[in-house]
Amino acid sequence: AQSVTQLDSHVSVSEGTPVLLRCNYSSSYSPSLFWYVQHPNKGLQLLLKYTSAATLVKGINGFEAEFKKSETSFHLTKPSAHMSDAAEYFCVVSDLPGDSSYKLIFGSGTRLLVRP
Amino acid sequence: DAGVIQSPRHEVTEMGQEVTLRCKPISGHDYLFWYRQTMMRGLELLIYFNNNVPIDDSGMPEDRFSAKMPNASFSTLKIQPSEPRDSAVYFCASSLAGDREGIYGYTFGSGTRLTVV
Repeated sequence: AQSVTQLDSHVSVSEGTPVLLRCNYSSSYSPSLFWYVQHPNKGLQLLLKYTSAATLVKGINGFEAEFKKSETSFHLTKPSAHMSDAAEYFCVVSDLPGDSSYKLIFGSGTRLLVRP
Repeated sequence: DAGVIQSPRHEVTEMGQEVTLRCKPISGHDYLFWYRQTMMRGLELLIYFNNNVPIDDSGMPEDRFSAKMPNASFSTLKIQPSEPRDSAVYFCASSLAGDREGIYGYTFGSGTRLTVV
């Protein structure tokens, strides 16, 4: 079965410094992986997705994630944090489609705090 | 496109009352999902539909919960009777999955914040 583990429940960075949110996945197949962001009292928004094309995926708001099969990782990065990046981030893996069992499996989330 | 539309945005009800949450997915999407989010449990998948047919309802916590999708543009999640522990934010999401590589991710609604007192 597919699963994701977000290694940090909270990450705190200073504005202007790099962001690293860690995610490891477990999958029997070549997975599809996503990062979603949830700002306070808002719905979830897709940041970026990996679907077996380029291993380095660029998303919105300057975020990137790199798929590393050897490490079963899909860490989210941003070179310079902005105050507006403060939110909760979810790493997500897809179930295998095509057999009526398509669904996304969400990690437990990482809350990003950005200090001025 | 207006996105996934959920109503109401907020609902406060008394214990024992029936609650109905509504969702309008994005036109053309063939999957619809209902999630519940709480501080203690995070995001939990309650049920999902494919082409209006319920595929997996194993996440529905109890018989008090029921979901329907009478057509491609509308779904409801009903709780009867409601209890204080049902207080949570309920999200609806829709998606389009074409071929086996066609994973497009979900589009989420803004959620319904339910408070049962």
